[in-house]
Amino acid sequence: DVKVTQSSRYLVKRTGEKVFLECVQDMDHENMFWYRQDPGLGLRLIYFSYDVKMKEKGDIPEGYSVSREKKERFSLILESASTNQTSMYLCATAARPMGYTFGSGTRLTVV
Amino acid sequence: GESVGLHLPTLSVQEGDNSIINCAYSNSASDYFIWYKQESGKGPQFIIDIRSNMDKRQGQRVTVLLNKTVKHLSLQIAATQPGDSAVYFCAERGGANNLFFGTGTRLTVIP
Repeated sequence: DVKVTQSSRYLVKRTGEKVFLECVQDMDHENMFWYRQDPGLGLRLIYFSYDVKMKEKGDIPEGYSVSREKKERFSLILESASTNQTSMYLCATAARPMGYTFGSGTRLTVV
Repeated sequence: GESVGLHLPTLSVQEGDNSIINCAYSNSASDYFIWYKQESGKGPQFIIDIRSNMDKRQGQRVTVLLNKTVKHLSLQIAATQPGDSAVYFCAERGGANNLFFGTGTRLTVIP
């Protein structure tokens, strides 16, 4: 089974801090995604990557950046955390753009 | 843009009854659909998928029905159990090969 590991389950950061959310997959999947999940809004795509060093903006990229230096690792970066970035962040991976496998999520609180 | 929604945000069923969760989509060009289950504190998990050239697909206790005429997708869970309590999401694959998610329906199973 594909395993998608997000480094932190819960994170509390201060406004203005730079925040790194890490996601690692143990299969050789090309596609990786970062979503945020908010009540009533569902899953919204932040960024995705189809290969190493490649990145594409999703629906809500503002305030975020990503890094994909190795195939198995996809990092989401909050350059300067703000309270409106308090959310559940979900990483997903897919060998093809079908049937994503999700990590357990990181619940980030920005105070 | 694409819109994937749900008719009801919550659904309560008696244990042992059948559950039906509905989803509407707007992109008639979508060719692939997935249902995910998300339990509290966990990431979404794949349940079942269906391609647009099919009307029905069955899994273990679950059936997905696709009505392309009215752009409607449903998930049927037979003999609902307490472990089925979760939020259920539908997702569609649109033209960009990414998945678009609905906002989710919370299913509560009453013992």
